[in-house]
Amino acid sequence: TQLLEQSPQFLSIQEGENLTVYCNSSSVFSSLQWYRQEPGEGPVLLVTVVTGGEVKKLKRLTFQFGDARKDSSLHITAAQPGDTGLYLCAGARIFGQGTELSVKP
Amino acid sequence: DVKVTQSSRYLVKRTGEKVFLECVQDMDHENMFWYRQDPGLGLRLIYFSYDVKMKEKGDIPEGYSVSREKKERFSLILESASTNQTSMYLCASLRLSTDTQYFGPGTRLTVL
Repeated sequence: TQLLEQSPQFLSIQEGENLTVYCNSSSVFSSLQWYRQEPGEGPVLLVTVVTGGEVKKLKRLTFQFGDARKDSSLHITAAQPGDTGLYLCAGARIFGQGTELSVKP
Repeated sequence: DVKVTQSSRYLVKRTGEKVFLECVQDMDHENMFWYRQDPGLGLRLIYFSYDVKMKEKGDIPEGYSVSREKKERFSLILESASTNQTSMYLCASLRLSTDTQYFGPGTRLTVL
């Protein structure tokens, strides 16, 4: 059974700090997705990574797909309160449990 | 951009009522999904459909049924709502080429 494990589960930081969220598996994925979900809303797709070693940037967010395509990371630089939300990784229609990020002003 | 819409953002129903949740996508995707999301339990798959009139049970299908009469529309039906079906319901549509799901805004259902 394929599983995606996200860490940390909860993260509370001050505005301006950097952070990294990890998504790990023992299985190989052809692609991985990252979503952000705000309370009461559906998950919104941030990025899909498809190539091992790929790095994608979305403003202050940097996504990396592991060389072996078993893991991915999301790095946020200079976090802002607007980054607050639940971050989900997904692959092969499987979802991680999510990382709840709170950025305090 | 893919657009997935859900018929209601908030619903309040009484125990025993029949409830219809509708989902429409505009990208001609063949695969559509219904999930429920509860605190601490993550996203759980209820049903999915890979074509018109085709459906497959997900992980928690009990108490639910689905209907897919047209490619763009996937409905979730609660035949007799119960309080333990109070939840956030999320519909998604799948782009096969990148195996990426696109979600609707969700329906927050409360069963009293």
